[in-house]
Amino acid sequence: QKEVEQDPGPLSVPEGAIVSLNCTYSNSAFQYFMWYRQYSRKGPELLMYTYSSGNKEDGRFTAQVDKSSKYISLFIRDSQPSDSATYLCAMSATTGGFKTIFGAGTRLFVKA
Amino acid sequence: GAGVSQTPSNKVTEKGKYVELRCDPISGHTALYWYRQSLGQGPEFLIYFQGTGAADDSGLPNDRFFAVRPEGSVSTLKIQRTERGDSAVYLCASSFRDRGLLTFGSGTRLTVV
Repeated sequence: QKEVEQDPGPLSVPEGAIVSLNCTYSNSAFQYFMWYRQYSRKGPELLMYTYSSGNKEDGRFTAQVDKSSKYISLFIRDSQPSDSATYLCAMSATTGGFKTIFGAGTRLFVKA
Repeated sequence: GAGVSQTPSNKVTEKGKYVELRCDPISGHTALYWYRQSLGQGPEFLIYFQGTGAADDSGLPNDRFFAVRPEGSVSTLKIQRTERGDSAVYLCASSFRDRGLLTFGSGTRLTVV
């Protein structure tokens, strides 16, 4: 079993839809939870991060962490064609270094 | 520099050859990471440096892979006796201290023929 599980999709939605992306994990030592966005032939870029449990909102993006269920989510409101990309969840522990482990990524297509 | 710089952007090599991939992190970032990404997969951890030393090299697949960061800034990933299975995009990332919040370069696309 992988430490971080993420449905690779692809996920196709119409412009303006609410998008929900999710990951599950197995390592209870994870404390930092991140979402990265990756466009084709580019490196991932940090979108959101959350320390421990809770919600965090930034514009159209909301990140949620439920440590009791080992489940994290990213919501995108009013999705735009420019949001079409691969979304990678990632997490790291505060002990044993900050080795960041990534999910497989979910490919998102937002149709105009 | 303004961002993480990786050179070359593309590298084609013959099976069995030796290659070096270079990463120039953001100035002041003490932590540096190497990842490998295959098509349709997420980045796979290879090695992590804190300063000059390798804090965690548990992701290096075998002893053909080696990485250095002699002055705590630029890093080089070295692959000996390359195999076709080594073909992937090799990503470098750096972060301020080691909070795991990474800034990535655009990667080096390695193709072994």
